[in-house]
Amino acid sequence: DVKVTQSSRYLVKRTGEKVFLECVQDMDHENMFWYRQDPGLGLRLIYFSYDVKMKEKGDIPEGYSVSREKKERFSLILESASTNQTSMYLCASRLRGGLEPQHFGDGTRLSIL
Amino acid sequence: ELKVEQNPLFLSMQEGKNYTIYCNYSTTSDRLYWYRQDPGKSLESLFVLLSNGAVKQEGRLMASLDTKARLSTLHITAAVHDLSATYFCAVDLFTNAGKSTFGDGTTLTVKP
Repeated sequence: DVKVTQSSRYLVKRTGEKVFLECVQDMDHENMFWYRQDPGLGLRLIYFSYDVKMKEKGDIPEGYSVSREKKERFSLILESASTNQTSMYLCASRLRGGLEPQHFGDGTRLSIL
Repeated sequence: ELKVEQNPLFLSMQEGKNYTIYCNYSTTSDRLYWYRQDPGKSLESLFVLLSNGAVKQEGRLMASLDTKARLSTLHITAAVHDLSATYFCAVDLFTNAGKSTFGDGTTLTVKP
């Protein structure tokens, strides 16, 4: 079974802090994704990576950056956290080719105070 | 731009009843996925539909895909409380390099 592990289930940070959310997958998937999920707004793609060191902006990249130095790890960085970034963050991975679904981590509920 | 619309967005039903959730999408595609999300949890894959006329069934849930109509349905038969969750459909475009466009989700509540 594919395992996508997010480093924290719950995280509380302060406004202005630099925040790192980590995601690791164990199935050698090329594609990895970061989403945020807010009530009434569905799933919104923040960033997408299709290979090591390769990234592409999603629908809402402002205020975020990502890092993919190794194939199994995809990090989301909040450069200077703000209260409007309080949300549920979901990481997912997928084989290139798109014939399989995305595999999601358990999510990180991030609160910015 | 690919748009994916689900309806209804909220569904409250009695145990034992049948109902259908609809997923319409705006651009030709033959790759559609259904996911389930329990409250406070993440998404898990339910069905993968990869061709016109594809039908998949698991327990009381059955999903189908009509690529000509750009429509997928998720049919619930004799609902039970354990099916209460939010259901998302997601559509791929070949040109989108592995990204999916998700619908807004249908929150299903099954009451005794």
